[in-house]
Amino acid sequence: KNEVEQSPQNLTAQEGEFITINCSYSVGISALHWLQQHPGGGIVSLFMLSSGKKKHGRLIATINIQEKHSSLHITASHPRDSAVYICAVIQGAQKLVFGQGTRLTINP
Amino acid sequence: DGGITQSPKYLFRKEGQNVTLSCEQNLNHDAMYWYRQDPGQGLRLIYYSQIVNDFQKGDIAEGYSVSREKKESFPLTVTSAQKNPTAFYLCASIRDGASEAFFGQGTRLTVV
Repeated sequence: KNEVEQSPQNLTAQEGEFITINCSYSVGISALHWLQQHPGGGIVSLFMLSSGKKKHGRLIATINIQEKHSSLHITASHPRDSAVYICAVIQGAQKLVFGQGTRLTINP
Repeated sequence: DGGITQSPKYLFRKEGQNVTLSCEQNLNHDAMYWYRQDPGQGLRLIYYSQIVNDFQKGDIAEGYSVSREKKESFPLTVTSAQKNPTAFYLCASIRDGASEAFFGQGTRLTVV
């Protein structure tokens, strides 16, 4: 079992839909990152969370430390949101662990 | 502005040649990491370094080598011993005692 599990692995939706991507982890962490990777592109850091909730434009990220769970939400999704979204956690003494990623496709 | 710089973004090499990927940070971070991503797969740890002149193997270190002569720099060499070097390579860093990681843009290596 991976230390960081993301769901779903693949998600296809229509433009305008509300999107939720989930990340669960098995051990205590000091921080969690949400990353975005467009096809053939590099990695972009969207959020860093250690508690609560953050919002940037149409993107919202939440974390529940007690439940070891984080969610990334996209409101009013658009085809340009199509990308792989990756959850990464920092555990203990600088151990950085990535989830497998969620491939999101938004159809016009 | 502080950050991590990976270069180049795209790299092509002939089979059998060694190639070195650059990772530089001006964040004064102690820990630096190299990951590999294959198409449709997650990121896997190749090597990491938590202090200058010291580094540790990750899960898939075979066919790779690194050095950490300076705090700012952690270059990764893909050697001819790496059977399938074509992949996306990501460098990351974390400041000692801090809870935030920084990520390079990545280098996409294609071996022909």
